Amino acid sequence: KAGVTQTPRYLIKTRGQQVTLSCSPISGHRSVSWYQQTPGQGLQFLFEYFSETQRNKGNFPGRFSGRQFSNSRSEMNVSTLELGDSALYLCASSRQLMTGEGSGNTIYFGEGSWLTVV
Amino acid sequence: DAKTTQPPSMDCAEGRAANLPCNHSTISGNEYVYWYRQIHSQGPQYIIHGLKNNETNEMASLIITEDRKSSTLILPHATLRDTAVYYCIVRVEGSNYKLTFGKGTLLTVNP
Repeated sequence: KAGVTQTPRYLIKTRGQQVTLSCSPISGHRSVSWYQQTPGQGLQFLFEYFSETQRNKGNFPGRFSGRQFSNSRSEMNVSTLELGDSALYLCASSRQLMTGEGSGNTIYFGEGSWLTVV
Repeated sequence: DAKTTQPPSMDCAEGRAANLPCNHSTISGNEYVYWYRQIHSQGPQYIIHGLKNNETNEMASLIITEDRKSSTLILPHATLRDTAVYYCIVRVEGSNYKLTFGKGTLLTVNP
């Protein structure tokens, strides 16, 4: 079955602009979470959505936002881009809320969206 | 703080088994051990996970010690495409879930 799909794969933006990234989870998965990965900070949790509601949020400024649609697809938006926002943005999906217990809650990642802010 | 400890790098000859160790001495009774790998410029790829028993799938085997304080990921016949950073993580429970990757182990498979 198809994996987690993220678009676009690569993009370059200018400081001050905004960007929207898209994620389609694995069919049947209702939870989508977003992560930022940089060489210096490693993998950092942004937020998690389940049933169109934000369930958990990481320690990022309000410029970072997201939403989830009724078909579980998700988008994240970064406004007023800064140079430090350059990173690999990863989307992950799982069948249940990621805080849930049980071995069936494996998390699958997409290929990521490489964002470069110049 | 990272809950797992892995060697920063390992080498393996192509065709041989790669054994990647991980220490997780503070693991709780209901926490699972997960392994992911990340090839440069790509998203992390799920490999395998386990709770107590050894597990095997088409990609790898996971051996967990009886006291659950350490585990070993085994790639039975490593190929050049297995060169990647391998992450061992312990699933964090609780209401504020955050998936945390440590530094991982850079496995280099040599021809």
